Amino acid sequence: DTAVSQTPKYLVTQMGNDKSIKCEQNLGHDTMYWYKQDSKKFLKIMFSYNNKELIINETVPNRFSPKSPDKAHLNLHINSLELGDSAVYFCASSQGIRYNEQFFGPGTRLTVL
Amino acid sequence: AQSVTQLGSHVSVSEGALVLLRCNYSSSVPPYLFWYVQYPNQGLQLLLKYTSAATLVKGINGFEAEFKKSETSFHLTKPSAHMSDAAEYFCAVSGGGGADGLTFGKGTHLIIQP
Repeated sequence: DTAVSQTPKYLVTQMGNDKSIKCEQNLGHDTMYWYKQDSKKFLKIMFSYNNKELIINETVPNRFSPKSPDKAHLNLHINSLELGDSAVYFCASSQGIRYNEQFFGPGTRLTVL
Repeated sequence: AQSVTQLGSHVSVSEGALVLLRCNYSSSVPPYLFWYVQYPNQGLQLLLKYTSAATLVKGINGFEAEFKKSETSFHLTKPSAHMSDAAEYFCAVSGGGGADGLTFGKGTHLIIQP
């Protein structure tokens, strides 16, 4: 069983489009995260949710909007896609809100043309 | 605020040789430290973590790391490199408030030479 899954794995789209990435975890964790990995492989936290409540919202354009319908899901919606949004987006989950190891999904490679 | 510095964006070792990947951290609170490995086109897998228990931490695949508070370091080692160890390695720190996102270093690409 996949612990943290993301769909789609690859996403190619045109500038200006709106797209969503879905994330699901079956670990029973109550905290979920989105990270962005740029072309130089640098990883940076974007958002975290604990029990469906937004906890961390780093300096991310408001074109990015996370949605957590329940504790097992955290989706990422991106409006008006720009070239600079091209990256790999990772979802992760952990139990508790502090210090616990995070389990990562396989990533979604987003390419904006 | 926290930060992580990984010395050496690329490290090359011969198969069978010692692997040493360096990580230094900065944290205003007692840190929790992690090493993750990323194989090509895959997500991140936890190798090991330090959570204020033993300072020498053993992880998967024969890796271990030692927490040294005086040096603010958490270097990753493996006695004998294997070809399958070739990957990207990330050191990360967690220690702030709230639902902590991890603060990652820039990664070290480990190359294993036959």
